[in-house]
Amino acid sequence: EVQLMESGGGLVQPGRSLRLSCAAYGFTFSNYAMNWVRQAPGKGLEWVSSISDSGRTTYYGDSVKGRFTISRDNSKNMVYLQMDSLRGEDTALYYCAKDVWGSGRRQSNWFDPWGQGTLVTVSS
Amino acid sequence: DIQVTQSPSSVSASVGDRVTITCRASQDISNWLAWYQQKPGKAPKLLIYAASSLQSGVPSRFSGSGSGTDFILTINSLQPEDFATYYCQQANSFPRTFGQGTKVEIK
Repeated sequence: EVQLMESGGGLVQPGRSLRLSCAAYGFTFSNYAMNWVRQAPGKGLEWVSSISDSGRTTYYGDSVKGRFTISRDNSKNMVYLQMDSLRGEDTALYYCAKDVWGSGRRQSNWFDPWGQGTLVTVSS
Repeated sequence: DIQVTQSPSSVSASVGDRVTITCRASQDISNWLAWYQQKPGKAPKLLIYAASSLQSGVPSRFSGSGSGTDFILTINSLQPEDFATYYCQQANSFPRTFGQGTKVEIK
């Protein structure tokens, strides 16, 4: 069974940093792109970032570009989101999500499954 | 960036009803569109990808149609477990973008 488990969320002051982690189980991790999507309290879904199966290609949403960095360690089946210069508007539940299509196909299109999320609260 | 706009923002329906939700993209996205279901306190779940392909394990009462800029999610014979919020998402280009959501409520 495919499982994704996020960790690393918490309360952080504006301007500080936080690193989120996502542990993946039950599939050949190195064959799939991975993604982060967030949801502010009571709001809709916002795509944050994607990383290719190899880790060589990354993409970011406009609101986080230059502040967040996605990375992965295929030897540990882990994907990370380094979040710097955090702002109040970054407060959200952050989900890690697996790509549906594997290597050899266009990546970071459809996301399934998703983890349960880790909550990040940015406040002084 | 491509904007995706859902309508309606909410719909009230009864068990057994047919429900349709529309998603409109700000430019031609071919069939690069997905639909997700999210229940309160839970992570989203993929229902439909590539506009009309049913994700494995999803009941056949869910269907998707459309291409270009206009897309529809149809739920036939609404079941109690279908009351949730539904989101569309475009995958034509980066940044990926989601619609604002449609809440399906019990009438």
